[in-house]
This record gives sequence, C-alpha cells and structure tokens, in this order.
Amino acid sequence: DIQMTQTPSSMPASLGERVTISCRASQGISNYLNWYQQKPDGTIKPLIYYTSNLQSGVPSRFSGSGSGTDYSLTISSLEPEDFAMYYCQQYDSSPTFGAGTKLELK
Amino acid sequence: QVQLEESGPGLMQPSETLSLTCTVSGFSLTSNGVGWVRQPLGKGLVWMGTIWAGGSTNYNSAVQSRLSISRDTSKSQVFLKMNSLQPEDTGTYYCASQPYGDYWGQGVMVTVSS
Repeated sequence: DIQMTQTPSSMPASLGERVTISCRASQGISNYLNWYQQKPDGTIKPLIYYTSNLQSGVPSRFSGSGSGTDYSLTISSLEPEDFAMYYCQQYDSSPTFGAGTKLELK
Repeated sequence: QVQLEESGPGLMQPSETLSLTCTVSGFSLTSNGVGWVRQPLGKGLVWMGTIWAGGSTNYNSAVQSRLSISRDTSKSQVFLKMNSLQPEDTGTYYCASQPYGDYWGQGVMVTVSS
C-alpha cells in the first residue's frame, strides 16, 4: 500500500495568514491526489481533486500543487471557517489517506 | 442536487455482521463509483472499499476477508456488509463518490460493544 505522510499534524495560524500543508507519498502517484476538509461535526468537504482542480463551490483562496511524490495544499488568506482538519488522499492505487492536519487559531 | 445518505444500526455486538446502506440521489451508480470510508473515534480516515460504475469492487486488504460491497442500481443504493465485528470496528462510516470524492454522505456512527 502507498503510505501518505502528511505534515504538519497541527498548525496554529492567524486570520489572514497564508498556510501550506504537505503530503508525501511513499511512491509516485501521478497526481492522483485529493484534498478534504473536515469540520468538528464530522462533515467532510471535498476541496481539490487530481492535485490542483478546485471542487465546485470551493473558494479560490484554496489551491493545490505537486507532482511525483510531493503535494501541497495552500490557503492564501485564512478565513474563520477554514480552521478545521485537512486530509490528503491518493488514488493511484488502493486509496490511502494522510493522517490529517489540524489547523488551529493562534 | 447530488446527495448520499448512509443508514444502518448504531449499536452492534462483537461477532455480528454489520449491514449499512448508502442511498444516492442525483447521481447514477452506473456512471460513478461509490466507496466506503471509516473513521475511528478521534482518528483519521480509512478507505474500506469501492464499487465501480461497471460493478467491479476493490477492498482494503486489511478488511478484505470480512467485507462485501454490493449495489442495487434500481434503488440507487450501495451496501456494505462486514462480518465478525470487533470493538475496533467502532467508528463513523461514510460513503463517498469515487475516485474524486466530490460527494460525501454525513456519516453513520457504528458502535461495536457487548
């Protein structure tokens, strides 16, 4: 199975700050990488598919990039509703998720 | 509007068989895959398996021997059956469109306890 190493596991940040979350795959995944946001009530919101494509309705402050084994999610200017858990997921082979990043208000 | 909704029993006994249903609307099961994802309490997401548009299935090797995913396209429903339940199977179970994960259900909490 492909392992996804997501960093950092938690990140204190301020409103308006630019943040980046990283995921590294144990082998190349050919850009087959999604990003999700999960709120404390358990609701999962898809953000990005195939590395850099914004899901419908997702604000443009979210962006994704990467290739090979290294991928990242960037939020250009944090809004109050962005403080949540974030997960990456590869689907090059049997899907696996990163362990998650908790984005917290500093 | 696409919606996925999970349903099933909230409390199970060890060794029992879990049956969950994912009912979809605004979404064709013959054009889209649907997968099941589990989240143990306070932990991360784990893919369990997917049934693809053509009806083929893939399973997480960790649960493959206990898990079966099927569907009824006429009812727009996808089913998860997992036998020999153990307390570590406790968690929230989500169904989601595959492979892009663009639609998710709200999740259903399953507790395995005697």
